[in-house]
Amino acid sequence: DAKTTQPNSMESNEEEPVHLPCNHSTISGTDYIHWYRQLPSQGPEYVIHGLTSNVNNRMASLAIAEDRKSSTLILHRATLRDAAVYYCILRAPGNTPLVFGKGTRLSVIA
Amino acid sequence: DSGVTQTPKHLITATGQRVTLRCSPRSGDLSVYWYQQSLDQGLQFLIQYYNGEERAKGNILERFSAQQFPDLHSELNLSSLELGDSALYFCASSVSTAPNEKLFFGSGTQLSVL
Repeated sequence: DAKTTQPNSMESNEEEPVHLPCNHSTISGTDYIHWYRQLPSQGPEYVIHGLTSNVNNRMASLAIAEDRKSSTLILHRATLRDAAVYYCILRAPGNTPLVFGKGTRLSVIA
Repeated sequence: DSGVTQTPKHLITATGQRVTLRCSPRSGDLSVYWYQQSLDQGLQFLIQYYNGEERAKGNILERFSAQQFPDLHSELNLSSLELGDSALYFCASSVSTAPNEKLFFGSGTQLSVL
């Protein structure tokens, strides 16, 4: 499995934008980039995914570098409810499951 | 609410016992995944089924087995339980196994082995 590298933890002030980085230098051309988050005492939750182009949805934006070796999850206005562990995961074609790493623990300060 | 139902929510049992965890996927989802989350190991992929067939296997112990039934619900059987099997077990489902599919996770079964 192609590997991703994320900071262990990050901190943000409430109502400020948050940029969560992810490095994936060994990504292959057909790997999708997925982001999930896990709030305390809950199951993981889908956030966003993309292949080559930047993506936006109601939860977040995903900015993918031109060479695809890194990506950034952008939360436009962090709220206290966004405090969670955020996982950046690569998923290849075929019967490949989502393989979770350690993720980034995001703390949001009021 | 993800639409994925896991039962029971909590399970307390003793070492050496056998338990069955149940998962009902979202309506229309054909693929089911099982994950184990413990404090020291993080989220570990166990096994994946698609329309009743096993499609991928992760770090699943030989004491553990799973199946997906014709109605698409899945069961994870854990036998000869040890203290170290205490963990949160999550089930997830998706429409297919395509790499751009979203997975929807249940709220988990908390297993405590005493």
